Amino acid sequence: DVKVTQSSRYLVKRTGEKVFLECVQDMDHENMFWYRQDPGLGLRLIYFSYDVKMKEKGDIPEGYSVSREKKERFSLILESASTNQTSMYLCASFGGGTGGTYNEQFFGPGTRLTVL
Amino acid sequence: DQQVKQNSPSLSVQEGRISILNCDYTNSMFDYFLWYKKYPAEGPTFLISISSIKDKNEDGRFTVFLNKSAKHLSLHIVPSQPGDSAVYFCAAHNFGNEKLTFGTGTRLTIIP
Repeated sequence: DVKVTQSSRYLVKRTGEKVFLECVQDMDHENMFWYRQDPGLGLRLIYFSYDVKMKEKGDIPEGYSVSREKKERFSLILESASTNQTSMYLCASFGGGTGGTYNEQFFGPGTRLTVL
Repeated sequence: DQQVKQNSPSLSVQEGRISILNCDYTNSMFDYFLWYKKYPAEGPTFLISISSIKDKNEDGRFTVFLNKSAKHLSLHIVPSQPGDSAVYFCAAHNFGNEKLTFGTGTRLTIIP
C-alpha cells in the first residue's frame, strides 16, 4: 500500500519563526510536490522536485524554500513564518506516466499550520 | 489566471439521486484530467481520470465526461451516497511537465 507521510498533522508557530514541514514517500517516486489549500482557492502549487537536489518554483513560491537531499524526503521551509501562511499544507508524490497514461499523484494527510 | 475552474462552490443532492460536478478549463495543452475527493483533515484521494483522447470513462458509480470542444468536463455519481459528501477537486495535467493544475473545489453534500 502506497504511502506519503507528513511529520505533523497540526502545528502552531509564532510570527518570525523558521518552520520545517517534512514529507516522506515510500514509492520510490522521482517527483514530489508541496501545495497549500485555502478556502475558495483550491490547491496551489508552492514548489516541486523532479529529482534529488532538483527543485522548481510552483505558482506561489514567495516566502518558502524546499530541500530534497534524499529521494524519499521533501522538506518545505518557511524562513520567517507570517500570519498569511496559516493554511493546510499538502505533500504529494508522483511516479510519472507510462504508455500514454498518467498515474495520479498520491497525497499525504496534510499539515494544518497556524501562525500566530 | 485560473486555468481550471469549478464554478459551483457547493452542491446538495438527495441520497440515491445523481450528483453532477462540473469543471471548465482554458488550456488546450492539457492532456489528462483527474478528479480527487477530499474529506476534512485528510489529504485528497484519487477518484477517476480521463485522457484527452477519450470522451467518457466509467468506474462503478463514477463516470467522467469530457467535451473537448467546450473545454468542459463533468463527474457523475450515481447513485449518490452519504459517504460521497466531501470536497471534489478537478485537476488537469499539462503535456510536457509533471504538474497538475487544480480547480477551486466543489463541496458536495448528500442529504439522507
